[in-house]
Amino acid sequence: SAVISQKPSRDICQRGTSLTIQCQVDSQVTMMFWYRQQPGQSLTLIATANQGSEATYESGFVIDKFPISRPNLTFSTLTVSNMSPEDSSIYLCSVVYMNTEAFFGQGTRLTVV
Amino acid sequence: KNEVEQSPQNLTAQEGEFITINCSYSVGISALHWLQQHPGGGIVSLFMLSSGKKKHGRLIATINIQEKHSSLHITASHPRDSAVYICAFTNAGGTSYGKLTFGQGTILTVHP
Repeated sequence: SAVISQKPSRDICQRGTSLTIQCQVDSQVTMMFWYRQQPGQSLTLIATANQGSEATYESGFVIDKFPISRPNLTFSTLTVSNMSPEDSSIYLCSVVYMNTEAFFGQGTRLTVV
Repeated sequence: KNEVEQSPQNLTAQEGEFITINCSYSVGISALHWLQQHPGGGIVSLFMLSSGKKKHGRLIATINIQEKHSSLHITASHPRDSAVYICAFTNAGGTSYGKLTFGQGTILTVHP
């Protein structure tokens, strides 16, 4: 199993500012995934964070808006830059080990005002 | 068309009822996951399936690979089961093992 500590759990931010979300995993993992869940919607993959290389972004998400760091095999950050109210969502990190269930951070509930 | 469809979208039950949530998908998958999301937003994994059936307590999950269909059953439902239940899958093949595609979720409310 894996335990993922995600912070902050929630924040209220002013538009135009940036917020960095951290995820710490208690064991090494090759890939970490960052998801967004807009109000009333299901989860959408933002990007895959690979250690030692640039993150891989999904269609509709760009590095300038959602820069990701992955300095080692247990840690990653996602920054939501130049926020607008449309960025108000729950952001979650996740890992999946081969042949095991998925593990998620506790989620960050972001409100942009 | 979404690659994964869940039904029903909303489900209301009385305590003690047997509940079934369905999930159909349209692509080859490596594994199917059933997840539970509580109002605070946190997500907990209930099952990961690649074939057959799994049981944990009052929860049972089944998958039919040929029909591309999975079901989650809750026996003797309880108000604490109220949550959003989400099915998700990891694609067969590819390099991003662990990348999940999610259904839209089923909102379950169990009344005492």
